[in-house]
Amino acid sequence: AQSVAQPEDQVNVAEGNPLTVKCTYSVSGNPYLFWYVQYPNRGLQFLLKYITGDNLVKGSYGFEAEFNKSQTSFHLKKPSALVSDSALYFCAVRDRNYGQNFVFGPGTRLSVLP
Amino acid sequence: EPEVTQTPSHQVTQMGQEVILRCVPISNHLYFYWYRQILGQKVEFLVSFYNNEISEKSEIFDDQFSVERPDGSNFTLKIRSTKLEDSAMYFCASDRADTGELFFGEGSRLTVL
Repeated sequence: AQSVAQPEDQVNVAEGNPLTVKCTYSVSGNPYLFWYVQYPNRGLQFLLKYITGDNLVKGSYGFEAEFNKSQTSFHLKKPSALVSDSALYFCAVRDRNYGQNFVFGPGTRLSVLP
Repeated sequence: EPEVTQTPSHQVTQMGQEVILRCVPISNHLYFYWYRQILGQKVEFLVSFYNNEISEKSEIFDDQFSVERPDGSNFTLKIRSTKLEDSAMYFCASDRADTGELFFGEGSRLTVL
């Protein structure tokens, strides 16, 4: 069975500082990993994904994430946070050997303070 | 930019009533999904649909739920007899070619009284 953990319900960071939103996963096979962002009263928006290849993947809005197989982690990062990055962030995993079901983590609310 | 559209944006219904939530996926997409989110928190998979049939469904998607793609553009979720615990935001999503880059609609909020 697949599962995703996001250990922090809330992350606060000052504008201009680097941000990290943590994600760890569990799958029986090899994972596809994703980050989605949800702004208030909106649907989820795709940010980035890891399928294969370089462990560091770059996505929309200056975000990047690093796949670490040994630690089963896929933390989301951005070098310099913006107030407009404040949103709910979801990590998701899909077992590439098991269908199309994405399992989403519980979400981490990011607040970037001016 | 193409988008997934959902109607209604909000529906209030009495327990035991049937509800149909409608979605128009992006026109050249082939994979379709329904997810739900309760209280703005956990996003739960309901069902995936490809090639005019359900490809996968979760435990939540019991006999009270059904999906259809009746006319090649709409993708509907029907709940036959709503329960209080069905109250949630329901999101439709589509994918061009099983890429994992889901495009989500803005959601339909269902309130069951």
